[in-house]
Amino acid sequence: SQKIEQNSEALNIQEGKTATLTCNYTNYSPAYLQWYRQDPGRGPVFLLLIRENEKEKRKERLKVTFDTTLKQSLFHITASQPADSATYLCALTLYNFNKFYFGSGTKLNVKP
Amino acid sequence: EAGVVQSPRYKIIEKKQPVAFWCNPISGHNTLYWYRQNLGQGPELLIRYENEEAVDDSQLPKDRFSAERLKGVDSTLKIQPAELGDSAVYLCASSLDTGNTEAFFGQGTRLTVV
Repeated sequence: SQKIEQNSEALNIQEGKTATLTCNYTNYSPAYLQWYRQDPGRGPVFLLLIRENEKEKRKERLKVTFDTTLKQSLFHITASQPADSATYLCALTLYNFNKFYFGSGTKLNVKP
Repeated sequence: EAGVVQSPRYKIIEKKQPVAFWCNPISGHNTLYWYRQNLGQGPELLIRYENEEAVDDSQLPKDRFSAERLKGVDSTLKIQPAELGDSAVYLCASSLDTGNTEAFFGQGTRLTVV
């Protein structure tokens, strides 16, 4: 069956360190992958999109990698801040664009 | 510019009662999505509209759920009758099209069925 896996355990890191979140998938051939941030009681907010022919994408302190051989995306936040504390969701879109699948998200806690 | 607007923010109903949620997408966005999110889980797609046409409703429990998007703008999602298991957050999102563009989400409606 098709699956998107994100670490269900919260990631706790110290302010200033780099946070790395993982998104693994099986039995999909995604055209592109997106990362969203979700705060409690709010809807997800788009952060970054990376296409299957791209290896890496950066935006300010954020970096996403996409390895279609490993079927994995890594999401990095450098110089993390307490304000980065939230749940981060990855979402895959398939080539025919009619399916849009979310992982269950990983909660990030950045301690001052 | 206003984002995606949903109402109500919260709704508590007794089981077997009907309930409706409303969504106003971002102006000019052709694609509209309804998602359901259970606690600790990611959003699950219920239905996707391209303008006024429902192009993907394979995950919509059609025995009790219905949706419409009048004139390709606002949308309503209805549950009748509601069951205890329907308690969740219902999220509406919109995007320019279904291609490689980001989706903008509303704040969601938290439904509690008692």
